[in-house]
Amino acid sequence: AQSVTQLGSHVSVSEGALVLLRCNYSSSVPPYLFWYVQYPNQGLQLLLKYTSAATLVKGINGFEAEFKKSETSFHLTKPSAHMSDAAEYFCAVTEGTYKYIFGTGTRLKVLA
Amino acid sequence: DTEVTQTPKHLVMGMTNKKSLKCEQHMGHRAMYWYKQKAKKPPELMFVYSYEKLSINESVPSRFSPECPNSSLLNLHLHALQPEDSALYLCASSRGGDRGNNEQFFGPGTRLTVL
Repeated sequence: AQSVTQLGSHVSVSEGALVLLRCNYSSSVPPYLFWYVQYPNQGLQLLLKYTSAATLVKGINGFEAEFKKSETSFHLTKPSAHMSDAAEYFCAVTEGTYKYIFGTGTRLKVLA
Repeated sequence: DTEVTQTPKHLVMGMTNKKSLKCEQHMGHRAMYWYKQKAKKPPELMFVYSYEKLSINESVPSRFSPECPNSSLLNLHLHALQPEDSALYLCASSRGGDRGNNEQFFGPGTRLTVL
């Protein structure tokens, strides 16, 4: 069965600093991987997805993620944090056609 | 239109009430989902409809009853809920088909409080 591990339930960065949110997956088949962001009391918004076309995936709001098969990782990065990036971030891998296996989430705090 | 809409935004109900949550999308998606999300947790899948047929039921209590009247609409009927059912209920949709790379588009959710 697939699984997702997000290391660090809380991450704090200074405004302008690098953002790095970690995601490791376990999958018996080539995975489809997603990063979502959730602002308070809102739904989830897709940041980016990996579908095997390219290992470096660029998403919205300046985020990108690199798929590393040897490390079974799909970490999310952004070169310079902005106050508006403060939110909950979820990594997910698909299981079958319809099921998402979500990580436990990482709450990003951006310090002024 | 790349939006999933949900009504109502907030709902407060007693344990003996019957209410319904509604979800709508006009992206031509053929798969629709209900999730339950408790505070500080990831969403938990409840139901999946694929081509208007119930495809996945994650052993959800019968006090939750989904309905898919057509490919654009998804309802969740609620009856005799418990206080522990209080949560954010999220609807999502995706293109459907037999590939797992179809991203899901989420609605803003309904915040449900059961008294």
